[in-house]
Parts: sequence; C-alpha cells; structure tokens
Amino acid sequence: GDSVTQMEGPVTLSEEAFLTINCTYTATGYPSLFWYVQYPGEGLQLLLKATKADDKGSNKGFEATYRKETTSFHLEKGSVQVSDSAVYFCALTNTNAGKSTFGDGTTLTVKP
Amino acid sequence: GAGVSQSPRYKVAKRGQDVALRCDPISGHVSLFWYQQALGQGPEFLTYFQNEAQLDKSGLPSDRFFAERPEGSVSTLKIQRTQQEDSAVYLCASSLDGRGTGELFFGEGSRLTVL
Repeated sequence: GDSVTQMEGPVTLSEEAFLTINCTYTATGYPSLFWYVQYPGEGLQLLLKATKADDKGSNKGFEATYRKETTSFHLEKGSVQVSDSAVYFCALTNTNAGKSTFGDGTTLTVKP
Repeated sequence: GAGVSQSPRYKVAKRGQDVALRCDPISGHVSLFWYQQALGQGPEFLTYFQNEAQLDKSGLPSDRFFAERPEGSVSTLKIQRTQQEDSAVYLCASSLDGRGTGELFFGEGSRLTVL
C-alpha cells in the first residue's frame, strides 16, 4: 500500500536558519503530494502541494519539489521565523484511491 | 464560521460506552473523510464519503466503528462499546473535489479519552 516516511523530529532551529524536512513516499501510479502544517491549538491546514513530477509547490517562503526519480518531496525554507514553529505533515493522495496517506509529522521549533 | 466544524471537541467515555462524533463540513464540499490520529503520529484514514455514498471504509478498525452521512452534508462517526485503544483525536476533513484528490480542509478534531 501507499506510505509516507518523514524525517524524525523534533527539529530545533534558530531564527533565520535554513530548514529542510525530508519526505519520501511509496505509491502506485501518480500521486499528488502535499505538505500540511498544524500550528499550536489549530487544525491541519494545507501549506503547499504538487500534482505531477517536477512540479514545485510554494507558499509562505516554503518550497517542495516533486521528485519522481527519488520518490521525494522535501520541504525547504531559506530563513525560518519563530512563527513557523508547528508540526509539519507530508501526505500523498492517489488519484484512484481518494484517501490521503500521511507521514507521522515533524515538530519544528524556531528559537529567537 | 465557514470552516469544518467538529463536536464535541473533547469527550471522556467510560470503557463500554457508545460515543458519537459529529462533523459539519464546508458547504458544497463533495468529499468527506474521517481520520484517527494517535499521539505523536500522523492521521490514519478511517473512511471516505462522496456525497452520501460511503466509498471506502477500509480503515475502520473494527465493526464497532460506524460512519454515516445520510444527506451528503453532516457526518457522524459512531463508536460502540468503546475500548481504551480507541483513545485518539478523530479528525474530519472535507474537500470540494469529488474524487478526493484536492486540498483537504480539516476540522480541529474531537479528542476522545476512554477510561
């Protein structure tokens, strides 16, 4: 079945540091890939997505590129802020399945 | 508000009790999903509706779990004879996309604690 493996956390960075959170997946067919973020006390919300190979999703300074050859969708941000502290989830949705499969989440803490 | 609404936000049940969790999706959203999230883990799929039709219930852990969406809008997840292992956050999500492949909009979840 489909699966998503995320870099284990927690991750602690200083403000303005570079962020990478690794995500790899296993899926049949051509899934769409997503990053969701959960800020403290809030529900999950979409951060960015990519629907086909080589697409780059971007939002709020975060980027991720759909790499079919390495089955990866790593999340990056050049300069993190304290307000980026949250739990980040990588997910895939297979066109034929409807449901999404999530990774276990990576907790990011950014210190001033 | 215009987001996905779940109730109750917190529920404490004694082992063996039945519970019902409600989800009010975004108006007009065709797809509705239920997920179970254990502490420190990602959401695990339970079941999926397209309008009133339950298209996939492969993630329901046992026949004690039952979900319905009779009019294609509000959905209820029912857990009968609750067990301690049912303790988790139950997330509801809806999507405008009828195929379930678009962006998911999540509620804040219902946290169930079974004593």
